[in-house]
Amino acid sequence: SQTIHQWPATLVQPVGSPLSLECTVEGTSNPNLYWYRQAAGRGLQLLFYSVGIGQISSEVPQNLSASRPQDRQFILSSKKLLLSDSGFYLCAYMGGNTIYFGEGSWLTVV
Amino acid sequence: AQSVAQPEDQVNVAEGNPLTVKCTYSVSGNPYLFWYVQYPNRGLQFLLKYITGDNLVKGSYGFEAEFNKSQTSFHLKKPSALVSDSALYFCAVRDYNYGQNFVFGPGTRLSVLP
Repeated sequence: SQTIHQWPATLVQPVGSPLSLECTVEGTSNPNLYWYRQAAGRGLQLLFYSVGIGQISSEVPQNLSASRPQDRQFILSSKKLLLSDSGFYLCAYMGGNTIYFGEGSWLTVV
Repeated sequence: AQSVAQPEDQVNVAEGNPLTVKCTYSVSGNPYLFWYVQYPNRGLQFLLKYITGDNLVKGSYGFEAEFNKSQTSFHLKKPSALVSDSALYFCAVRDYNYGQNFVFGPGTRLSVLP
């Protein structure tokens, strides 16, 4: 069966510090991978998606970047965090026409 | 462009009563439609989907949804609500003819009152 792991679960970072959130998927190969941000416990904003290693599409210009160094690994990064980067970050993969989410990472920038 | 609307920000229903959470969508091609549930501080959990075939789709935890092409709707329903159904519900659409993206609605908060 397929599983998705996302870490860290919570993170408190000072403004200007770097960020790295990691996501891995097991039980499937070459999945489409996604990073979403959820602000204020409501709507989801698609940040990045990837259809293969090294292939990243950015949906919203911002302070963040994404990388896919391995088939089932998706990393969300920032060189210098802003207060506005605070939120709930969700990684997801597509399997069988359906998108499945990880448990999310809470980022608080202080 | 794809879009999803969930016209109700909040839905309140008494335990044991039927519930409906509304969703309408807009796509250029053929829609794939989904419902997800989110409990506090958790990721989204898949409930059900419509891809093709029977317009009435049954999913997890007794939920079902009906695809109505003429009204471009995909409302989520359950015959008898439980207090444990209280959560945030998201409708999503993927236009099969236009790539890999899923577009989510703004969410509807369901409160089931004991």
